[in-house]
Amino acid sequence: KNEVEQSPQNLTAQEGEFITINCSYSVGISALHWLQQHPGGGIVSLFMLSSGKKKHGRLIATINIQEKHSSLHITASHPRDSAVYICAATGGGADGLTFGKGTHLIIQP
Amino acid sequence: GAGVSQTPSNKVTEKGKYVELRCDPISGHTALYWYRQSLGQGPEFLIYFQGTGAADDSGLPNDRFFAVRPEGSVSTLKIQRTERGDSAVYLCASSADRNNEQFFGPGTRLTVL
Repeated sequence: KNEVEQSPQNLTAQEGEFITINCSYSVGISALHWLQQHPGGGIVSLFMLSSGKKKHGRLIATINIQEKHSSLHITASHPRDSAVYICAATGGGADGLTFGKGTHLIIQP
Repeated sequence: GAGVSQTPSNKVTEKGKYVELRCDPISGHTALYWYRQSLGQGPEFLIYFQGTGAADDSGLPNDRFFAVRPEGSVSTLKIQRTERGDSAVYLCASSADRNNEQFFGPGTRLTVL
């Protein structure tokens, strides 16, 4: 069974700071997902990647298959980036997503 | 186009009652997933449908939980003899096919009193 670990669990930063959230998993996967969840809101898919790096606006996601590790970066962070960011994996013997516990990010003005 | 929808958005029931939660996936998506998210936790997988069949129901916690997708589109998650521990947000997601990007519905918040 795949284990997905995220760090940090909570992160508070000032507006404009560069943010990094880390994710590691225990077994081989077919894809790694980064998701965003606002308080009381639904889950939005940010990235799905199986190798290398993807960029969308101020968000960048990277994955190192050999090290079983992925990172989500936010450049020039803004208060509207405040949300829970969840790392999840597909594959590794499971049909659905295996989720990390999430990182609660707060960006202060 | 329309995203994934779920009804009801909130459901309050009493212990021992039966509930049904509905998911309308994105049109044409063959894969449909149910997840459960307890307060302060990440979601947990319940069941995966490919078309009409439940391809993987290994996440269902016990036999009080059952889900159907009779025509390969709308799915219903059914919970019998609800318990207080069933209180959670139940999330549905769909994707074009297995291992594609998943699109999530807004969830149904179930509260069992």
